[in-house]
Amino acid sequence: AQSVAQPEDQVNVAEGNPLTVKCTYSVSGNPYLFWYVQYPNRGLQFLLKYITGDNLVKGSYGFEAEFNKSQTSFHLKKPSALVSDSALYFCAVRDRMDSSYKLIFGSGTRLLVRP
Amino acid sequence: SAVISQKPSRDICQRGTSLTIQCQVDSQVTMMFWYRQQPGQSLTLIATANQGSEATYESGFVIDKFPISRPNLTFSTLTVSNMSPEDSSIYLCSVEEGGANTGELFFGEGSRLTVL
Repeated sequence: AQSVAQPEDQVNVAEGNPLTVKCTYSVSGNPYLFWYVQYPNRGLQFLLKYITGDNLVKGSYGFEAEFNKSQTSFHLKKPSALVSDSALYFCAVRDRMDSSYKLIFGSGTRLLVRP
Repeated sequence: SAVISQKPSRDICQRGTSLTIQCQVDSQVTMMFWYRQQPGQSLTLIATANQGSEATYESGFVIDKFPISRPNLTFSTLTVSNMSPEDSSIYLCSVEEGGANTGELFFGEGSRLTVL
């Protein structure tokens, strides 16, 4: 069965500092991996995805994520955090072998960037 | 990217009643997905709705409680039947773009239901 773990409920970082939001996954086959962001009272917005190829994926708003197969991780990173990055972040995984196209979401990590 | 509109955006409902949520997409899509986000929780897939066939429900969700319609390629409805306070959640409609199984999901703004 597919699963996603986001071990941190909340990440606090000062504006201008680098940020990392952690994600590990478990799938039977090879994964498709995604990051989404949710601002208050809004739906989810797609940030980036890993399908194949380069392990470092760049996405919207300066975010990037690195796929690490040996550690089964897909941590979200940004070199310099902005106060406006404060939001709820979800990691999600799809198993390439799963014909249902089901996307499994992690529990979410709240990012708080202080001025 | 697809533009997804959901109605209602929020509602307060009485226990025992039913509410239908509408999802309109500005382009034709094969698969539409309905998710539930309970307060402070992550997203849980309720069902996948394909046009012209019965919806496929995930474990723990049944058609009698969450009937779904998919009359065409741009529209779907989710009904939350015989509501109880435990049904208080955000219900999100989503569609996939970018290729089957590899594409990202795009979400509507959600319908926030409060059941008293």
